[in-house]
Amino acid sequence: GAVVSQHPSRVICKSGTSVKIECRSLDFQATTMFWYRQFPKQSLMLMATSNEGSKATYEQGVEKDKFLINHASLTLSTLTVTSAHPEDSSFYICSAGPRRTEFQETQYFGPGTRLLVL
Amino acid sequence: AQRVTQPEKLLSVFKGAPVELKCNYSYSGSPELFWYVQYSRQRLQLLLRHISRESIKGFTADLNKGETSFHLKKPFAQEEDSAMYYCALRNYGGSQGNLIFGKGTKLSVKP
Repeated sequence: GAVVSQHPSRVICKSGTSVKIECRSLDFQATTMFWYRQFPKQSLMLMATSNEGSKATYEQGVEKDKFLINHASLTLSTLTVTSAHPEDSSFYICSAGPRRTEFQETQYFGPGTRLLVL
Repeated sequence: AQRVTQPEKLLSVFKGAPVELKCNYSYSGSPELFWYVQYSRQRLQLLLRHISRESIKGFTADLNKGETSFHLKKPFAQEEDSAMYYCALRNYGGSQGNLIFGKGTKLSVKP
């Protein structure tokens, strides 16, 4: 089946620094990728939808200037947490599906990135 | 508003016992529902979806529009079924079909 990778799997950074997380679809092209955040013992919450070649769509309450998303190619989306603070510590998960408008497709999830901001 | 509710945070059963993980949804249109599973230290993966009407690893789920439910069932639980289970709803009206997740139910199957 389709594979989605994320890098890094874990990152620890100091407060005030920026962290970039990559999401790659390894064997298919993804015009749309989704970024979720999962706090401990809570569900996945959609942060934003990443669209190849256009601006990302952010969910209500998610700061677009803090969580920069770049979908530079059909196989890569990046999420940059700018000026990270301890409250940004979380598990970030991306998902991707092979086709943009075919709602019958399956979403494939990356393994997630654990961010810890000290 | 679109919403997925999983009322149980934890469900503990003995091996061989039947298991039912509850999921209720709120959606104005025709829903598309999924069950995802996350085994320990593994990524989230699709278990089944209602449009396929399939049985995966002995699990089945029937969409009941009258009760707005999509409960996950297995007649005889196995220890390897222990995992987090998430019910999800496709949000057609949202960001190009993103998934709305319930809070998850941790299934623990004891020997």
